[in-house]
Amino acid sequence: GENVEQHPSTLSVQEGDSAVIKCTYSDSASNYFPWYKQELGKRPQLIIDIRSNVGEKKDQRIAVTLNKTAKHFSLHITETQPEDSAVYFCAASEDRGSTLGRLYFGRGTQLTVWP
Amino acid sequence: DAGITQSPRHKVTETGTPVTLRCHQTENHRYMYWYRQDPGHGLRLIHYSYGVKDTDKGEVSDGYSVSRSKTEDFLLTLESATSSQTSVYFCAINGLGTYNEQFFGPGTRLTVL
Repeated sequence: GENVEQHPSTLSVQEGDSAVIKCTYSDSASNYFPWYKQELGKRPQLIIDIRSNVGEKKDQRIAVTLNKTAKHFSLHITETQPEDSAVYFCAASEDRGSTLGRLYFGRGTQLTVWP
Repeated sequence: DAGITQSPRHKVTETGTPVTLRCHQTENHRYMYWYRQDPGHGLRLIHYSYGVKDTDKGEVSDGYSVSRSKTEDFLLTLESATSSQTSVYFCAINGLGTYNEQFFGPGTRLTVL
């Protein structure tokens, strides 16, 4: 089955700096890559996703890039703010058109943004 | 978020007792999932369902069973709870978004003493 590796496991940045979290996957059939943010005591929330027909996607201060050849994808957060502090999970799945296959998750990255 | 609920939200039980967690959706979606979340392990899939009475195992299914007798409810049962099953349990469903993205319920914190 699919194997998703996520790095780093912890990341500390100063407010205003950028943060990058990287994930690799093993199954070339995977073509859907979501990112989830989980604040302390809350449920994981989908923040951005990318499909393999695009190489980059942006939504305000967050962006995701995908390199299908190298089987890796990354989350970029610019101008970080204290409220960005959370655990971030990457995942991979196969989008079959009419349905989405199960998600395979990375182990998470604890991001701390210091004021 | 209003489309998926879990009950109970918190439970404390003793080793050896049976426990059932309920996931309820109001949107008639086909796919439902149960995960457990533990520090350092991320989200691990226990079981999932792709329709009424259609279920399959995830990577940590030992000690758990599931049932789905109607579309809106997906039940997770610990037949005889153990301390290693102390965890936060999340239910998830596909399909609330435009492209069948997966969304999570609020979670159930289970403590087995």
